[in-house]
Amino acid sequence: DGGITQSPKYLFRKEGQNVTLSCEQNLNHDAMYWYRQDPGQGLRLIYYSQIVNDFQKGDIAEGYSVSREKKESFPLTVTSAQKNPTAFYLCASSIGGHNEQFFGPGTRLTVL
Amino acid sequence: RKEVEQDPGPFNVPEGATVAFNCTYSNSASQSFFWYRQDCRKEPKLLMSVYSSGNEDGRFTAQLNRASQYISLLIRDSKLSDSATYLCVVPVGGYNKLIFGAGTRLAVHP
Repeated sequence: DGGITQSPKYLFRKEGQNVTLSCEQNLNHDAMYWYRQDPGQGLRLIYYSQIVNDFQKGDIAEGYSVSREKKESFPLTVTSAQKNPTAFYLCASSIGGHNEQFFGPGTRLTVL
Repeated sequence: RKEVEQDPGPFNVPEGATVAFNCTYSNSASQSFFWYRQDCRKEPKLLMSVYSSGNEDGRFTAQLNRASQYISLLIRDSKLSDSATYLCVVPVGGYNKLIFGAGTRLAVHP
């Protein structure tokens, strides 16, 4: 079955700690994206990557970092510099351009 | 003006009703649009793509009005299972990015 997986589903972190969220896809998609969703709000773009070894900042990249060493993988690190990291994090992929994006099940991060 | 605007709702309708949502966008260069459905605490899932004037899939019809810069989603014969948040999605011209609206919540009751 082709799809996008994210792990873990729930994550708890103490203030001041960095944490890495995993995103893997086997759809052979070139483009991958990270979004953040807060309660009652829309998705906000954190980072996106159109090709391996290349990525661009989205609208709210401060306090986050990414890497794209493999086509299938696009991990997101939430650093201690992110002021309000508690949110629902969604990873997506697409064939690129303005085509539809397919989402993973998300990771719910809570900072204690 | 926001890039994508939607009425947050909620729209409370009885089963069998017809309900329509509108979404306005500001980037007139957009060529293709999407409607996604998001269930509570789940990921968004593609419902329909909207190219040229519109698209129909069973009980769902999406229409595009370029002159007024809005897209609409019509749901006929509403089912309880249609209860969800519907996200309007617009591409940003020149980038491989999609802008997601905050969504319109639909609650279908017996």
